[in-house]
Amino acid sequence: KAGVTQTPRYLIKTRGQQVTLSCSPISGHRSVSWYQQTPGQGLQFLFEYFSETQRNKGNFPGRFSGRQFSNSRSEMNVSTLELGDSALYLCASSHNSYNEQFFGPGTRLTVL
Amino acid sequence: TQLLEQSPQFLSIQEGENLTVYCNSSSVFSSLQWYRQEPGEGPVLLVTVVTGGEVKKLKRLTFQFGDARKDSSLHITAAQPGDTGLYLCAGSTQGGSEKLVFGKGTKLTVNP
Repeated sequence: KAGVTQTPRYLIKTRGQQVTLSCSPISGHRSVSWYQQTPGQGLQFLFEYFSETQRNKGNFPGRFSGRQFSNSRSEMNVSTLELGDSALYLCASSHNSYNEQFFGPGTRLTVL
Repeated sequence: TQLLEQSPQFLSIQEGENLTVYCNSSSVFSSLQWYRQEPGEGPVLLVTVVTGGEVKKLKRLTFQFGDARKDSSLHITAAQPGDTGLYLCAGSTQGGSEKLVFGKGTKLTVNP
C-alpha cells in the first residue's frame, strides 16, 4: 500500500497570504488528522476529519481550517499568514480504534 | 487538558550504550503509542501498548506501560547510530474517537 502523501513538500509565502496544503491518506483509512510541529511547541493537534466531518479540533484560531472529500483526501487552509505560522505541517491517517497515526512526510511552510 | 511529559529532552550517547526515556502523565490512558521521527520526515509508529504493566519488545527496543497506565518507558539496548531521532509518546484517554495527545519528545543522538 502507498503511504500518506502530502503536497507540496516545501512552501514559501509572505505575511497576509493564504495557503492550501493537500493530503492523501492510505487507501482505506477514513480518519485524517493534521498537526503543526515547531521546535518550541512540539507536535500540536490542529483537527481531525472522519468521513468528511470534523470530529475533533485543537486550540488554533479560525484562520486554520480544513475539509475532507468523499475519497478521504483532505486539505487544510491557513488564511492571513503570520510569521509564527512557519512550521512543519503533518498529515496522518488512521484506521483503527487505537487511533494509530500513519504520518506523511510533511509540508515545510516558511512565512516571510 | 492532559499532558504528557517526556524526559530527558535531549540525550547524546556513544554507540553500544543503553538508555531509557520516559513518558509521564497525571492522566490515565486507554492506550499509549511511541513514534520515532527522523529529520525531514514524519513520525513513524513503533508500538502501541494498551494494558497496564504490558511489556513489548521490538528488536533492541523494550517498551513498558505503567501498571496504572499513567506512564511509559522506552529502553534501548546497545544503541546504534541508526537509532538517532526524535522519540515521541502519544496517548489517548478514551479510545479511537478522541484526539491523541503528544509529548514534546526526546531527541536522541547516538555517536559512532
